[in-house]
Amino acid sequence: DGGITQSPKYLFRKEGQNVTLSCEQNLNHDAMYWYRQDPGQGLRLIYYSQIVNDFQKGDIAEGYSVSREKKESFPLTVTSAQKNPTAFYLCASSIIQGGNEQFFGPGTRLTVL
Amino acid sequence: AQKVTQAQTEISVVEKEDVTLDCVYETRDTTYYLFWYKQPPSGELVFLIRRNSFDEQNEISGRYSWNFQKSTSSFNFTITASQVVDSAVYFCALSEAEGSYIPTFGRGTSLIVHP
Repeated sequence: DGGITQSPKYLFRKEGQNVTLSCEQNLNHDAMYWYRQDPGQGLRLIYYSQIVNDFQKGDIAEGYSVSREKKESFPLTVTSAQKNPTAFYLCASSIIQGGNEQFFGPGTRLTVL
Repeated sequence: AQKVTQAQTEISVVEKEDVTLDCVYETRDTTYYLFWYKQPPSGELVFLIRRNSFDEQNEISGRYSWNFQKSTSSFNFTITASQVVDSAVYFCALSEAEGSYIPTFGRGTSLIVHP
């Protein structure tokens, strides 16, 4: 089955700790994305990547970091610099071409205590 | 700059009612794409439909239908005879055909269908 996996589904961390969210896809898509979803805020783009070893900041990149060492993987690290990290995080992938839909993972709900 | 507005934050209906979710967009591009996604309680967004700016034909898929009107910059989504399983958050999105293909999402409309 082709798709996107995110792990874990729920994650709890203490304030001040860095945490890494996993995202893996087997759709052979070049582009991958990370979104943050807060109630009533819709989807806000954190980072995206179009090719291995390259990525671009989205609208709310501060306090986050990413890597793209493999085409299939695009992990997101929520650093201690992120002032309000508690949120639902969604990973997506797509073909690089205008008009192509995105495929989303099941999301990770991060709660910082 | 692109913008997508979903003015309805939450809609509550009783099963079997028809419901329309509104989407209004802004773009300077002449060529663009519009999308609708469904986010059920499980959290994963599911693609429903894509429409390009040159195709204003309405589309029907079972109980779902979409009305695209360039004159009013709207791409509305209607569910006929709603069911409890339709309860979800629905997102409208817009992307350019060239240049940055990154979509802009609306804030979503939460649809609650009561039995």
